[in-house]
Amino acid sequence: SQQGEEDPQALSIQEGENATMNCSYKTSINNLQWYRQNSGRGLVHLILIRSNEREKHSGRLRVTLDTSKKSSSLLITASRAADTASYFCAAPSGSARQLTFGSGTQLTVLP
Amino acid sequence: DAGVIQSPRHEVTEMGQEVTLRCKPISGHNSLFWYRQTMMRGLELLIYFNNNVPIDDSGMPEDRFSAKMPNASFSTLKIQPSEPRDSAVYFCASSLGGEYSGNTIYFGEGSWLTVV
Repeated sequence: SQQGEEDPQALSIQEGENATMNCSYKTSINNLQWYRQNSGRGLVHLILIRSNEREKHSGRLRVTLDTSKKSSSLLITASRAADTASYFCAAPSGSARQLTFGSGTQLTVLP
Repeated sequence: DAGVIQSPRHEVTEMGQEVTLRCKPISGHNSLFWYRQTMMRGLELLIYFNNNVPIDDSGMPEDRFSAKMPNASFSTLKIQPSEPRDSAVYFCASSLGGEYSGNTIYFGEGSWLTVV
């Protein structure tokens, strides 16, 4: 079963605007990851945040984690057309604690 | 460094035929994953190997699906017989470490399967 669920399913913004995607998960975790998938390609790791971290930055990316609410958010600042992609959160799940992915947010950045 | 290598990239086959998808993980990685991605069901974990041993195959849809990892540098996912509902993108991925502890997973470019 899926551990994470992203919201919204689709998001369309203008270039230069900020994009915020949210992820809710079900069971307690020790870390959560965000991945990006360009159309027709495999997923690429963006950032990992551990359960003892509340916020983490990487370039134009900012990730927050609220373990009390079992939620995370990914903020992309000053978006570019090249940011158009699907974004997935992923967290450990199952007996072997393997990584399972949410359904993704499809981000479209209009030039 | 070469990433995860999958073959074939695209395959179109007729219902009832056997399909074999292949994967070469990143050298040194000891965890290997097969995922399936469809519009309806999203990204599903099919099976997870650690040190060439299947650890969790609870995501394998049915007996028509089988996966093997005969050595650390090669894995196959086989569908026999294939059905139209098996049409999907199949991703192989690998990572370092045993029981998942926050390691990055590296994905291949996927095998796009169409069963007609």
